[in-house]
Amino acid sequence: GNSVTQMEGPVTLSEEAFLTINCTYTATGYPSLFWYVQYPGEGLQLLLKATKADDKGSNKGFEATYRKETTSFHLEKGSVQVSDSAVYFCALSDPRTGANNLFFGTGTRLTVIP
Amino acid sequence: SAVISQKPSRDICQRGTSLTIQCQVDSQVTMMFWYRQQPGQSLTLIATANQGSEATYESGFVIDKFPISRPNLTFSTLTVSNMSPEDSSIYLCSVGTSASTDTQYFGPGTRLTVL
Repeated sequence: GNSVTQMEGPVTLSEEAFLTINCTYTATGYPSLFWYVQYPGEGLQLLLKATKADDKGSNKGFEATYRKETTSFHLEKGSVQVSDSAVYFCALSDPRTGANNLFFGTGTRLTVIP
Repeated sequence: SAVISQKPSRDICQRGTSLTIQCQVDSQVTMMFWYRQQPGQSLTLIATANQGSEATYESGFVIDKFPISRPNLTFSTLTVSNMSPEDSSIYLCSVGTSASTDTQYFGPGTRLTVL
């Protein structure tokens, strides 16, 4: 079946530190992979996505590379800011049904301190 | 991407009452979904709202508790019926578009507290 395993949080970093949030997945076929971000008190926003192996999604300084050989889609940012404090969700869409079935990880809470 | 609004943004309700949450999209969309996010948890899909027919519910969710309407391609409602404190959650509407069939876009959510 389809599932997403996400790095446990919470994660606390100092401003300008390097960020990695690990995400691995299990899926049949070739899913699309996503990172969503949820800022305090808000809904989910699509941060970035990748649709095939070796694709790199990027947005707002965040990057994630679709690694089929390791079934991973780790989120990275070279220098975090206080405004990046949020909960980050890794997700995949079932290749058979597309957006009909979206599988989420448990979320990782990031706190960036000045 | 579609612009999605939800009303109300938050509410505090008494046990045993019902609340209807509205989801409005600025363009016609093929798919609309309703999720629940319990405190500190990930998202759980409640149901897919089908235009012109009954919603498709996920395991553990039933129509009597969470009736859903979708009268057209831009609007849906979710009702949380006979509420108990365990229903305190964020309820999120999301949509899938024909332009990006593998992606869902989320509304801002409705934060519900049941006393």
